[in-house]
Amino acid sequence: DAKTTQPTSMDCAEGRAANLPCNHSTISGNEYVYWYRQIHSQGPQYIIHGLKNNETNEMASLIITEDRKSSTLILPHATLRDTAVYYCIVQMKTSYDKVIFGPGTSLSVIP
Amino acid sequence: KAGVTQTPRYLIKTRGQQVTLSCSPISGHRSVSWYQQTPGQGLQFLFEYFSETQRNKGNFPGRFSGRQFSNSRSEMNVSTLELGDSALYLCASGGDTQYFGPGTRLTVL
Repeated sequence: DAKTTQPTSMDCAEGRAANLPCNHSTISGNEYVYWYRQIHSQGPQYIIHGLKNNETNEMASLIITEDRKSSTLILPHATLRDTAVYYCIVQMKTSYDKVIFGPGTSLSVIP
Repeated sequence: KAGVTQTPRYLIKTRGQQVTLSCSPISGHRSVSWYQQTPGQGLQFLFEYFSETQRNKGNFPGRFSGRQFSNSRSEMNVSTLELGDSALYLCASGGDTQYFGPGTRLTVL
């Protein structure tokens, strides 16, 4: 079973911020939180990752709670091209055999 | 920098045949991982190669095998194809962060 839980689906109005939550209550101290997204039938695209501090890049921001049991991916100004399945995973760096992708959150950006 | 490339993009085979998929990682990346994605099981880890050695292996039967060459390019082979092997096969390269290719869509008839 995946070590993360995410809502099955979410809608977001175009131009608004999309806030995608993820619960990872059993995360261990050396596991990172990674976010990927997958547009239909394409390979997953890396978005962002973090250990315990909040992170920001050109695509998104990642907010990790102080106890590290949950996180939120923020797309500040969602566009139609952000419609995709978003995966939150936890992993130790380079331990890919332990990575479990759950079903993710299907985000629909509405015009 | 060019991304991860996979060939072929689409493939149709019949039961009992074998297939070889190819992956070229991002230049400089020595780790290549393979995943299988199906609607029912989602994205599942197959194996990872690093410097021509298999470093990690998922829970798949021995019909699934791979190798990596000295230039870090990798191939994945599936022998004695079954209908259930129909899937999107994804390759990823990287170190701390994985970068995925577009995938090979395999259909087994």
